[in-house]
Amino acid sequence: AQSVTQLGSHVSVSEGALVLLRCNYSSSVPPYLFWYVQYPNQGLQLLLKYTTGATLVKGINGFEAEFKKSETSFHLTKPSAHMSDAAEYFCAVSVDQAGTALIFGKGTTLSVSS
Amino acid sequence: KAGVTQTPRYLIKTRGQQVTLSCSPISGHRSVSWYQQTPGQGLQFLFEYFSETQRNKGNFPGRFSGRQFSNSRSEMNVSTLELGDSALYLCASSLGQGFGNEQFFGPGTRLTVL
Repeated sequence: AQSVTQLGSHVSVSEGALVLLRCNYSSSVPPYLFWYVQYPNQGLQLLLKYTTGATLVKGINGFEAEFKKSETSFHLTKPSAHMSDAAEYFCAVSVDQAGTALIFGKGTTLSVSS
Repeated sequence: KAGVTQTPRYLIKTRGQQVTLSCSPISGHRSVSWYQQTPGQGLQFLFEYFSETQRNKGNFPGRFSGRQFSNSRSEMNVSTLELGDSALYLCASSLGQGFGNEQFFGPGTRLTVL
């Protein structure tokens, strides 16, 4: 069975600092991995995804993530945080190849201070 | 292109009642997935429908059911409501074919059970 663990329910950074949100997964099959962001009172928006191929994945808004099979990790990074990045971030693994049935982590709330 | 719409946005019910939530996917999308979001359990996958057939199912009791119509619109029903069913219910649509589909989420229906 697939599962996702996000380390750290809250992360606080200063504007301009590096953002690092951690995600570890467990999957009995080659995983399809996703990062979604949720702004207050809104639905989720896809940041980036890994299916196959290049292990360094670039997404929207300057975010990227690296798939490391040996570490079963898919950490999300952004070199320089903006105030607008404050939101809740979810890592997810897909139940199947279609990616339409996702197992989510508990989420990490990112706070950005000026 | 119109996004995913969910109706109603807010709902208040009492224990023992039943409720039906509706989701209209993005035009052309054949897959609709449903998720429950609560502060304690986070985001949990309920089920997914593709071309009117349930393709994936999460670990929820039989009180939770759904269906999809020929125009891809989907409904989910919860019977015999319990206090613990209070949650934000999100639906997401996608093309549903191929690998690692991007899901587009609606704003959710917030259900309160009294």
